[in-house]
Amino acid sequence: SQQGEEDPQALSIQEGENATMNCSYKTSINNLQWYRQNSGRGLVHLILIRSNEREKHSGRLRVTLDTSKKSSSLLITASRAADTASYFCAAHGYQKVTFGIGTKLQVIP
Amino acid sequence: DVKVTQSSRYLVKRTGEKVFLECVQDMDHENMFWYRQDPGLGLRLIYFSYDVKMKEKGDIPEGYSVSREKKERFSLILESASTNQTSMYLCASSSSHVKTGAGGQPQHFGDGTRLSIL
Repeated sequence: SQQGEEDPQALSIQEGENATMNCSYKTSINNLQWYRQNSGRGLVHLILIRSNEREKHSGRLRVTLDTSKKSSSLLITASRAADTASYFCAAHGYQKVTFGIGTKLQVIP
Repeated sequence: DVKVTQSSRYLVKRTGEKVFLECVQDMDHENMFWYRQDPGLGLRLIYFSYDVKMKEKGDIPEGYSVSREKKERFSLILESASTNQTSMYLCASSSSHVKTGAGGQPQHFGDGTRLSIL
């Protein structure tokens, strides 16, 4: 069954604006990770947040994790046209990873 | 940089055929994974392997099998292809860590094989 769910499923913003994507998951995790997928390509790892962390930054990316609500958010600040892609959260357990269905982000120049 | 290579970007096969999808990684990773990706369903895990000759079923193993004879290579086999197996297939690999097991480390993906079964 699908564990992670991203919200919204599609997002369209102007270049320079911030983009926020949310993710929910159902079971306990070691960590939660966000991946990006350009059209027709494989997924690329963006950022990892451990279950005992609440917030993590990497460049223009900010991730938060609320294990009590089993949810995470990804914020991309000052978006660029090159950020146009699909973004997936992945709930990483000890043996398995469960991916969400993704948020398709379009950044309009 | 980790490289995960899938043997074909596009593949067209007929129903009933036995289909082999090959994946090779060059970073000596212990873990390898096969997913299928369908619109509106995200990535679903078919099988994974945490060591040579070891395999574990994922969420949707029916109709598939896998082979891992060498550490760098993980093959997905469609025993008798059906039209509902038309999909994008993604291979990934990751290292293991004693604290986080097979699932804990970032996964590195190939560019996928878009498989059409006619």
